[in-house]
Order: sequence, then C-alpha cells, then structure tokens
Amino acid sequence: DTEVTQTPKHLVMGMTNKKSLKCEQHMGHRAMYWYKQKAKKPPELMFVYSYEKLSINESVPSRFSPECPNSSLLNLHLHALQPEDSALYLCASSQVAGQTRQGTQYFGPGTRLLVL
Amino acid sequence: QQPVQSPQAVILREGEDAVINCSSSKALYSVHWYRQKHGEAPVFLMILLKGGEQKGHEKISASFNEKKQQSSLYLTASQLSYSGTYFCGGDNQGGKLIFGQGTELSVKP
Repeated sequence: DTEVTQTPKHLVMGMTNKKSLKCEQHMGHRAMYWYKQKAKKPPELMFVYSYEKLSINESVPSRFSPECPNSSLLNLHLHALQPEDSALYLCASSQVAGQTRQGTQYFGPGTRLLVL
Repeated sequence: QQPVQSPQAVILREGEDAVINCSSSKALYSVHWYRQKHGEAPVFLMILLKGGEQKGHEKISASFNEKKQQSSLYLTASQLSYSGTYFCGGDNQGGKLIFGQGTELSVKP
C-alpha cells in the first residue's frame, strides 16, 4: 500500500481565518514532506520532517506552521494567509529523509487551497 | 539548482513514441520520474540510481547518463492514458528532490 491521504480536498478561507491541512500515511515511512504547487509549475518543497522532527524549513513564512504529532500524521496550520498563497498543497512521505537513493517520495492527492 | 527538462510540451498521436530529457548542471545522486495528471497527485514512475542504469515500467523506460548528468524518459507506443505532465526530480546530494519545470504530454486519438 503506497497511499498517502490528505484532507480536506478543497479549502476556501479568508485572510483572517485559521485552518489546518491534514496528511496521513501508514507505510511506516519516517520522513514526511509538505510541498506547494502553483498551476503549471513543479512542486516546491516547504518542510521536511524526519523521525517526527522538523529537519528542513525552506524559508517558509511563519503564517504556515507545520506539526508532526506522530510518525503517521502531518499537519499544516494556516493563519493570516495571503491570496498569493492559493495553490495545491501536497503531502509526501518516504522511508527516510535525505536518502533519496533508498526510495522515492509518495504523494498524496493534495488540498486545493483558495485564499480570498 | 533546478534540472532542465526538454521539450516543454509535446503532442503525440496514439502509438507514437516520445523522449523527455532532464539535465542538471550539478552531479545527480539520483533521478526520480513522476507523472501528474491534471488535478491529481504526482505518481511515481521510476528511480534511477546508477550511471547508465536503465529501468522499465510497461512501455515506459528511462536511462541515466552519469557523465552527462542527464536522464531520459522513453515512452513507446503511447496510449491516451500517458497524457499528463512529466516531472524529473533530481537529488544533487542535498538529500532533497528538486523538480524540473515539467513536460506536458498530450496523446491524441
């Protein structure tokens, strides 16, 4: 089973709202990722969690706050977003972080976010 | 440094072949190929780890030329289901995948 699930599928929020995106995997992977993808662009890495600890933050604004409650779950808390933050947010997981030769990343279906 | 993919877009008739290239200015530790259909998640196709390695997946295969830091994805006898955007993801030993800009493939009946 190589499934990564994400909820919700779609989200519309105002600039003053607080919302959360959720991601779950049951493959026993110890690395989880958040990516942002704009239309007709490749996924851009935002955060990497390795063994439930934040290992990489790609200079993401603080209005995005990641959380990894356990090895299977990854959240992305959103607060005071801007319209330009509207995008597809993808979660991914892999066996370990930083070892791309030991396996690839499996992506979830994404949450399509619209900020009004 | 983002890998460079070529071509940016290609239109095929069913049954035709295509090659998508992915080049890097830095040495690549591994190359990962994905296909993404509109509105869906990127789907893993294959990973290449060694120079000269070739891998196959049904009628889709890939090679990795370590000297040239280039990987190529070969699609033979294309089917309608092959339509989508193909991304290569390169790791230049930073432990992160950096994706090329994508190649949009359209297969027409």
